[in-house]
Amino acid sequence: KAGVTQTPRYLIKTRGQQVTLSCSPISGHRSVSWYQQTPGQGLQFLFEYFSETQRNKGNFPGRFSGRQFSNSRSEMNVSTLELGDSALYLCASSFSGSGANVLTFGAGSRLTVL
Amino acid sequence: DAKTTQPPSMDCAEGRAANLPCNHSTISGNEYVYWYRQIHSQGPQYIIHGLKNNETNEMASLIITEDRKSSTLILPHATLRDTAVYYCIVRVGDNQGGKLIFGQGTELSVKP
Repeated sequence: KAGVTQTPRYLIKTRGQQVTLSCSPISGHRSVSWYQQTPGQGLQFLFEYFSETQRNKGNFPGRFSGRQFSNSRSEMNVSTLELGDSALYLCASSFSGSGANVLTFGAGSRLTVL
Repeated sequence: DAKTTQPPSMDCAEGRAANLPCNHSTISGNEYVYWYRQIHSQGPQYIIHGLKNNETNEMASLIITEDRKSSTLILPHATLRDTAVYYCIVRVGDNQGGKLIFGQGTELSVKP
C-alpha cells in the first residue's frame, strides 16, 4: 500500500514569507503528526491531528499551525518565516485506536529560509 | 525531555550482530519501548516495540531486562544499509497519540 506522501519535497523561501506543506497519510490512518528536525534541536514534535481536531501540541510558537481535512490529509503552515525555521519537516500517520501506536513517517519536506 | 539514554555512537562490522543499548530507568508499568531508525535525510522508520517480553520481527530483536529499566536492540547480521541513527523511545502506547519524544539517538556505523 502507498506510504505517507509529503509535498513539496524541497522548497526555498525568504524571511517574512509563509509556507504551506502537505501530507497525505496511509489509507485508513486517521492520525497525522508533524515534526521539525534541525541539526541543533533534533526531532521535535509540532502537533497532531485526529479526526480533523488537534489532539496534541508541542512547544512551538503560534506561527506554526495546521489543519486536517475530512479525508485525513493534513497541511501545516508557517507564517512570517524566520531563518531558524529552515528544517526538515516530517509528517507521520498512524491508525491510532488501541494498544501500541506505530507511526509511519513520510520522506519529509526540506525548507530553506533565506 | 526524552526518558531514555543511549550512547551517541557505535561501530559494527558488516555481518556481525549490532547490539544497541538503551537505558530507561524511570519507565512506568504501562509504557512501551519503541525503536525507530533514521537513515540520512529520510523519515524515521519503525523497527520494533515491546512492553515486557522480548520481541522479534524480520528486522530485529528487542531484549528488555526483567526490571524493564533497560533494553537492547539487536540487528543479527548488520549490513552497510543499517548505518543510521537509532532512536529508543518510551511512551504509553496510544495515550499520547502521535506524539513521540526523540532523544539524540545512537549513530550506528556499519563498516565493511
